Formats: sequence, structure tokens, C-alpha cells
Amino acid sequence: AQSVTQLDSQVPVFEEAPVELRCNYSSSVSVYLFWYVQYPNQGLQLLLKYLSGSTLVKGINGFEAEFNKSQTSFHLRKPSVHISDTAEYFCAVFYGGSQGNLIFGKGTKLSVKP
Amino acid sequence: DTGVSQNPRHKITKRGQNVTFRCDPISEHNRLYWYRQTLGQGPEFLTYFQNEAQLEKSRLLSDRFSAERPKGSFSTLEIQRTEQGDSAMYLCASSRVYEQYFGPGTRLTVT
Repeated sequence: AQSVTQLDSQVPVFEEAPVELRCNYSSSVSVYLFWYVQYPNQGLQLLLKYLSGSTLVKGINGFEAEFNKSQTSFHLRKPSVHISDTAEYFCAVFYGGSQGNLIFGKGTKLSVKP
Repeated sequence: DTGVSQNPRHKITKRGQNVTFRCDPISEHNRLYWYRQTLGQGPEFLTYFQNEAQLEKSRLLSDRFSAERPKGSFSTLEIQRTEQGDSAMYLCASSRVYEQYFGPGTRLTVT
């Protein structure tokens, strides 16, 4: 079955420290990968995407992610976080051959402390 | 792009009542999706339209739920005879192909 696993439900980190949010997905021939951010009581904002090409993708707000096909992972990283990065982050996968809906992980709450 | 808009943003209803939500996608996007998000979970797919055709429905979409997209523009999601378990955030998204852009959601509370 198609599934997306976000290994950490909560990640506390101090301001200006680096952070990595982990995401693994069930293997498939063709996948397109996304990270979204959700602030309280708001919809989801697209942070970055991997469709093809370079496995290291850069997104908004200084975030980047690396697609690792052999490990079926798409971890999100930021070298130095800010208080304003406090939010919930969702990894999502579009499986090729499906009609088009995204499969989401359960989310990781990033809490940045001063 | 004006973004995806959803109305209302909040809805409180009593159990057994019917509710209807509206989604206006980004104008040039022909694909429209509905998702449901409950507390502590990621969004779960409900249904998908390409233009006016409803191409896929999740098993989560019971017969109390119906969605339409007349003329391939805005979409409505109706829930009949609401139950407390329907309390959730209902999210709409639109896309050209793979990248889905989400609206702010409608938070439904069933009392």
C-alpha cells in the first residue's frame, strides 16, 4: 500500500540551530515529492517539490530537501531556523499512475525556541 | 494568481443538519481536489475533479457526502445529516498537473 511516514511527530529546536525533518515513503517506480507547511488555522503552503532532475531541491524560506531513491526518503533541512519557522510540516507524495491525489504523512510540528 | 479561496472559513452546525462548502480554484487550474484533515493528522483525500468530471472518490466519502463542479469552475462539497465525526478541516486544492495549491480550509464543528 502507498504510505508516507514522518518519523518525528514533534521537533523542538533552538533558534539559529540546524534542523532536519525526516520523511520516508513506500517504494514505487514513479513518485513526485512535496513538502508543505501549515501555520495554525491556515491551509497548506507549498515549500518545495521534487519532480525530476537534481536530487537536491531548494524551496522558499531557506528550506531544502534531498530525494534519495535507494532509501526512499525525502528529508527536509534548514541550516539555521527562525522563530517564524514554528509550524507543522507535511511531506506528501504523488504516486505515478494514480489519478492525482497526494498521500500525506501525519506531519511534524517544528517548535523553534529563543 | 489570486489563490484558492474557500467559504465559509468556519461552520458550526448541529448534528443532523446539512452543510455546504464552496471552493474557488485558481482560474487556469483544471484539476480540483477535496481533502479532510482531523486534529493531529495529515490531509486525507476525499475526491478529485478534472474539469467538471468527478474522476475519483475515496472510500472516506460516504453516501452522505456529495461534491459537484458545475462547468468546471468552482466546486461545492455537501454533507447531509452531519455527525460529530464529520468535525474536521475541509481543504480544497487545485492544480494544473502535479503541484497542488491549497485554500485556507473550512473548519466544520458539529455539536
